[in-house]
Amino acid sequence: NAGVTQTPKFQVLKTGQSMTLQCAQDMNHEYMSWYRQDPGMGLRLIHYSVGAGITDQGEVPNGYNVSRSTTEDFPLRLLSAAPSQTSVYFCASRRQGRNNQPQHFGDGTRLSIL
Amino acid sequence: GESVGLHLPTLSVQEGDNSIINCAYSNSASDYFIWYKQESGKGPQFIIDIRSNMDKRQGQRVTVLLNKTVKHLSLQIAATQPGDSAVYFCAEILTGGGNKLTFGTGTQLKVEL
Repeated sequence: NAGVTQTPKFQVLKTGQSMTLQCAQDMNHEYMSWYRQDPGMGLRLIHYSVGAGITDQGEVPNGYNVSRSTTEDFPLRLLSAAPSQTSVYFCASRRQGRNNQPQHFGDGTRLSIL
Repeated sequence: GESVGLHLPTLSVQEGDNSIINCAYSNSASDYFIWYKQESGKGPQFIIDIRSNMDKRQGQRVTVLLNKTVKHLSLQIAATQPGDSAVYFCAEILTGGGNKLTFGTGTQLKVEL
């Protein structure tokens, strides 16, 4: 299994540009989520999904959209990038249904908005 | 409001010594806690977890202790090795609301030779 795969690994955008960060997992996990990681602030939840066709907002959802058309994929969209969205983005997945199922993380997408 | 925080942002230990990384949480409703290790350029990696009905759980070279009275969580690493150098995060799951993880800000562990 490849686990959780994120693409691209690095990206530079100009303010106002749009972009989709890709996330795929091959573990048949129902639950998937997106986090952003900023210095001194840990990981903050952006959006999450408990299964195909179901998404919900996390702690910092503004400026981001998600969709979940398949179990495997959970893309994160920036419709109009802003410098405040410069961050490292992590996608994670886990089995749904029980609390004690640890999340598996991808290696992140490092995004810079100029 | 609820928060998960770490007492020390950086911890330096000698190779072979034991390391103790601490974490405080404020939500007594949390029923599951996890420690993650994050190496440079990588995503967080699961280390060990503990339910709120437990006080202690041991893994390979790692032990997690939970003190619900003072809402404190610690990660103990025995015989610390250079490969243990990383940032360590504690995280809690709040009951309800989609079982979302709330992460602390992280502690940088540096192992000196």
